[in-house]
This record gives sequence, structure tokens and C-alpha cells, in this order.
Amino acid sequence: AQSVTQLDSHVSVSEGTPVLLRCNYSSSYSPSLFWYVQHPNKGLQLLLKYTSAATLVKGINGFEAEFKKSETSFHLTKPSAHMSDAAEYFCVVSDRGGFKTIFGAGTRLFVKA
Amino acid sequence: NAGVTQTPKFQVLKTGQSMTLQCAQDMNHEYMSWYRQDPGMGLRLIHYSVGAGITDQGEVPNGYNVSRSTTEDFPLRLLSAAPSQTSVYFCASSDSGTYTDTQYFGPGTRLTVL
Repeated sequence: AQSVTQLDSHVSVSEGTPVLLRCNYSSSYSPSLFWYVQHPNKGLQLLLKYTSAATLVKGINGFEAEFKKSETSFHLTKPSAHMSDAAEYFCVVSDRGGFKTIFGAGTRLFVKA
Repeated sequence: NAGVTQTPKFQVLKTGQSMTLQCAQDMNHEYMSWYRQDPGMGLRLIHYSVGAGITDQGEVPNGYNVSRSTTEDFPLRLLSAAPSQTSVYFCASSDSGTYTDTQYFGPGTRLTVL
């Protein structure tokens, strides 16, 4: 069975400081892991995904995430936050067990000027 | 390409009414799905389809029906609306639905049931 836990419901950073959004997962098979971003009143957009290739994955807008199997984690980072990064971020797990994906509860990122 | 489109954007229903949320995609994707988004709960899968004529239940299917007569369209029907179905509904599609696929999301339908 799959599950995903986003460890923070809200994260607040100042513009120009690093961003860390934490995600832990469990999966019976080798999973694929995704981060999606949702800006207010919009649909979800893919930031990046891990599908068993390189463990450090680079995405759009300067975000990256590292797959750590030993820690069952897939944390999202960005070196320097921008005001436009303010949004809700979802960690998602999917595995070979079926066609279903499991979403985390989301982390809302606030960026202060 | 329009991508994934959903109509309507907003809808208010009274308890017991029925309605259909429309979803269409123009990417020739085999896999389509419906999610509902509630505060603090992420997105939960309602129903999904791996191709025309094939549908299956997700995590929270009760009170909803789907059908897939064409590759492009995947409507979601609420049979008898209840206040618990107040939510934001997202339709998504992906190439084949395999676990490595990226999903593409529509802009959402915000439904209120009074």
C-alpha cells in the first residue's frame, strides 16, 4: 500500500531565503514520486518527478528534490524563494501496484517580502 | 492544444439535485481521472478510466458515476447531491496511466451543495 505524508501544513520564508518542503512516503514497490504546485484558484502543475533514474531531480523554477530510499523521503528545495513561489505544494506517490496515485495533504508556502 | 478543460467553473446545487461535470482533453490520453480537493486532505481519487469503455473506482466513489464513451471525454455525474459533496473537483489525464506518467490537470470546478 502507498501513503505519503507532508510534514508541514504551512511554511513561511522570507524572499531570497531557502525553501524546504518535506515529504515522506511508503510504497510496496519502487515508486514514482512527484511534486505538483497549485497557485490560488488554479489547477495543478508538475514541478518535477522521480522515476528511478537520477536520485537528484531538477524541476522548473529552480526547484529540486532528492529521492532518499533509506529515509523514504523526497523533500523539495529551492535555494532562494521568490514572491511568485507562494502557492500550495503537493507531494504525490505512485507505484506499480495499480493506476492510483496518492496525494499528500499539501503544504502551503508563504513568502514574505 | 487546450489541454484539459472542465465546465462549469462554478456551480451551486440544492440537496438532492443531480448534475454532470464535464471534462475533455485533446492530447489523446488514454488515462483520465476525477479528484476532489478538500481543505487539509489533498486530492482524493473518485473514479478513473484507462481507456474508452473502461472505468474503475478510486478512493471515494460513493455518490458519483462516470462513463467513458470516447477517448476525449470523461464526465462525472452526481446522482443526488449532498452537502458533503461540496468541494473543488479536478479532472486529470495522462498518456497511459502508468506509475511514471505525469498527470495534466484541468482548472477545476467549484461545487457548493446547499
